[in-house]
Amino acid sequence: SQQGEEDPQALSIQEGENATMNCSYKTSINNLQWYRQNSGRGLVHLILIRSNEREKHSGRLRVTLDTSKKSSSLLITASRAADTASYFCATDAHFGNEKLTFGTGTRLTIIP
Amino acid sequence: DVKVTQSSRYLVKRTGEKVFLECVQDMDHENMFWYRQDPGLGLRLIYFSYDVKMKEKGDIPEGYSVSREKKERFSLILESASTNQTSMYLCATRDREGFSNQPQHFGDGTRLSIL
Repeated sequence: SQQGEEDPQALSIQEGENATMNCSYKTSINNLQWYRQNSGRGLVHLILIRSNEREKHSGRLRVTLDTSKKSSSLLITASRAADTASYFCATDAHFGNEKLTFGTGTRLTIIP
Repeated sequence: DVKVTQSSRYLVKRTGEKVFLECVQDMDHENMFWYRQDPGLGLRLIYFSYDVKMKEKGDIPEGYSVSREKKERFSLILESASTNQTSMYLCATRDREGFSNQPQHFGDGTRLSIL
């Protein structure tokens, strides 16, 4: 079953602008992870935020987590053409069994 | 870096054929996963394995089976391929130690077409 739902489904912005993607989920989690997928390739892990964390940074990435709203956001600052990809959130359920549940993804296009 | 290798990037098979998709990892991870990815549906888990000869059904196991005879290799088997199994198939691994704070590591995928 799909727990995560990303919003928007697609996003196009000018290079240099910031991109924000949102993820909502349904059940209690241990952590939430964000992945990037370039066209025709596998997924690459970007960042993990634990359920007791509210914000995390990694380079140009900023992730927030609001467990009361069961939502997360991924902010990419100063976007580059190379950021063009699909972005997926994935949740690690609190009573999980070592599986991740992935959302349907946001397709991000950076316009040079 | 973890390396997850899927045997084929592109594969074309015929309806009714038995199809094998292979995945090999070099990081001694206990957990291995098979997903299929379809437009608008995201990644859906087919099967996963948490040890040699151990397997567990995911969300969409029908029409598939798996084999894990060695720790580094996890095979997905389409017993009798059908056109609705045309998809992108992704293999992933995960370190079981402290698993709840571990990422999954993906191969580059196999784009399978069933004619």
